[in-house]
Amino acid sequence: DIVMTQSPDSLAVSLGERATINCQSSHSLLYGSNSKNYLAWYQQKPGQPPKLLIYWASTRDSGVPDRFSGSGSGTDFTLTINNLQAEDVAVYYCKQYFSIPLTFGGGTKVEIK
Amino acid sequence: EVQLVESGGGVVQPGGSLRLSCAASGFTFSDYAMHWVRQAPGKGLEWVSLITGDGNGTHYAVSVKGRFIVSRDNTKNSLYLQMSDLRTEDTALYYCTKDIMQLWGQGTRVAVSS
Repeated sequence: DIVMTQSPDSLAVSLGERATINCQSSHSLLYGSNSKNYLAWYQQKPGQPPKLLIYWASTRDSGVPDRFSGSGSGTDFTLTINNLQAEDVAVYYCKQYFSIPLTFGGGTKVEIK
Repeated sequence: EVQLVESGGGVVQPGGSLRLSCAASGFTFSDYAMHWVRQAPGKGLEWVSLITGDGNGTHYAVSVKGRFIVSRDNTKNSLYLQMSDLRTEDTALYYCTKDIMQLWGQGTRVAVSS
């Protein structure tokens, strides 16, 4: 199974500042035949289901603000939230869909400093 | 409206069974693979099962393989999860989700307790 390791477990960022979340996979998520990284990011607010933010490691889902961006390739990935807003307080998860079983990172809780 | 609505959760004793359902609307259900994902209280997300759009392919997490069966009825736009031999560690909020998980239901709670 591919193990997804997120860091940090939590972080507190001031409004308007940048939050950076890292995700490392135990196996490359880059599929050679299409040069795509099978990595997605989700946001989960309290009492709500997760929401897809990013797929293919860097493609924002429809309606996701452009202050959210994903980067990385292979085994190391980053979710960056620029200009942090109060509504961005949530837990963020990475997920690999390169192989079955699909696996999620442990989550990163983002709070306001 | 594009949505997924889960149902069927409840409280069950260890060793018992439950059948979860997920009603889909607003999209061509048979075109998409569907997943079950669960979240234990206060914990992270765990993928449980996948079924292909035509229903001919299924996959399971090791933790549920042999105990859970995923199925779908494309004529009813519905997804199911038959859970048997339930354990306390199966206690969670169970979500159904579509394809690359861009659409989620609100979840249905399963509590396994004596």
